[in-house]
Amino acid sequence: NAGVTQTPKFRILKIGQSMTLQCTQDMNHNYMYWYRQDPGMGLKLIYYSVGAGITDKGEVPNGYNVSRSTTEDFPLRLELAAPSQTSVYFCASGSPHNLQPQHFGDGTRLSIL
Amino acid sequence: KNEVEQSPQNLTAQEGEFITINCSYSVGISALHWLQQHPGGGIVSLFMLSSGKKKHGRLIATINIQEKHSSLHITASHPRDSAVYICAGRYPQFYFGTGTSLTVIP
Repeated sequence: NAGVTQTPKFRILKIGQSMTLQCTQDMNHNYMYWYRQDPGMGLKLIYYSVGAGITDKGEVPNGYNVSRSTTEDFPLRLELAAPSQTSVYFCASGSPHNLQPQHFGDGTRLSIL
Repeated sequence: KNEVEQSPQNLTAQEGEFITINCSYSVGISALHWLQQHPGGGIVSLFMLSSGKKKHGRLIATINIQEKHSSLHITASHPRDSAVYICAGRYPQFYFGTGTSLTVIP
């Protein structure tokens, strides 16, 4: 089982460039999430989606955009990359049931120089 | 405010020791999630619980709703248990603690 697949695993961007982080899940989960993890900080929610066509902001959405055209895919778009967006990004998926855990991708390590 | 706090931040133990990691949270969670983050960065779910206790192998998770507190215990710790352990409260969105970095020395 592939689970949650994120690409790329590593990327270096220049300030002002744009890019899309890809996330795909094959578990037919309705819920999908994008988090960022900074050193010494807990995972912070950027955006989430409860189903195809439905997205909403999390704690730290500024500088990012998302779309959810299919159940499987939840890409995260960075426009005009800034050094503050240097982080490790995790995509996760899950169900609305309370005791069902989230499943995480392996992460994308992004540096903005 | 949805807060999740963990203690300790860092923990070093000798192989074989019994380990406890603590997590406290504010009102309103529907479930508590314990996760393990390996040195390579991957995040794996350990437990989801809303009451009582769960056990898997040498890992035990407990939650006390009245005290808004959960603990993760590792019995007979082993160097392969070295990792960062993270708790998260489901509010319904997840709010994460900053993690406990565990090192088990042979």
